[in-house]
Amino acid sequence: QKEVEQNSGPLSVPEGAIASLNCTYSDRVSQSFFWYRQYSGKSPELIMSIYSNGDKEDGRFTAQLNKASQYVSLLIRDSQPSDSATYLCAADSWGKLQFGAGTQVVVTP
Amino acid sequence: EAGVAQSPRYKIIEKRQSVAFWCNPISGHATLYWYQQILGQGPKLLIQFQNNGVVDDSQLPKDRFSAERLKGVDSTLKIQPAKLEDSAVYLCASSLVGGSAKNIQYFGAGTRLSVL
Repeated sequence: QKEVEQNSGPLSVPEGAIASLNCTYSDRVSQSFFWYRQYSGKSPELIMSIYSNGDKEDGRFTAQLNKASQYVSLLIRDSQPSDSATYLCAADSWGKLQFGAGTQVVVTP
Repeated sequence: EAGVAQSPRYKIIEKRQSVAFWCNPISGHATLYWYQQILGQGPKLLIQFQNNGVVDDSQLPKDRFSAERLKGVDSTLKIQPAKLEDSAVYLCASSLVGGSAKNIQYFGAGTRLSVL
């Protein structure tokens, strides 16, 4: 049974629109959550971390966490072609990261 | 600040051959991780070191995979003998401390292994 679930996509988003990515996790012990961006053939790059329930904003990115529902999301506002990548959701349990399979985002001009 | 360094970037071997990967973490990072990422999947943790001690190797196929981190800095991951299903990207990551709820891991560029 997968511990971190994401829709695989691809999620097609028009340039300038909002991309909405979802992630659920099964381990209630998880306290910290991360969103990594991975371009094709490249390594994961951290874009957001969130530790408390609610919203956290950083530039065009907003992460949302609901521990009661075991749900994490990422919003990308004003999507740009450079946002086309796979977005990995990760949950931290006692210092060990569990990754989802990732959601591929394609921003179309 | 230099990032996590890995080599080689690419490796092609035949099944039953052996291969080794090298990783140099960010300076001062006590915790080092090796992940396996198969195409279309998220990274899967193989082994975690805290300084030069193993913290977690529960998902390391110990009959063929081995890893060491001598002197608590550089690390090597070895596969012997390789199987077709070992074809993947091997990612090394490091973090300042391990076991912290706010542990942020930084990844190297990875080694892409193809087993023929």
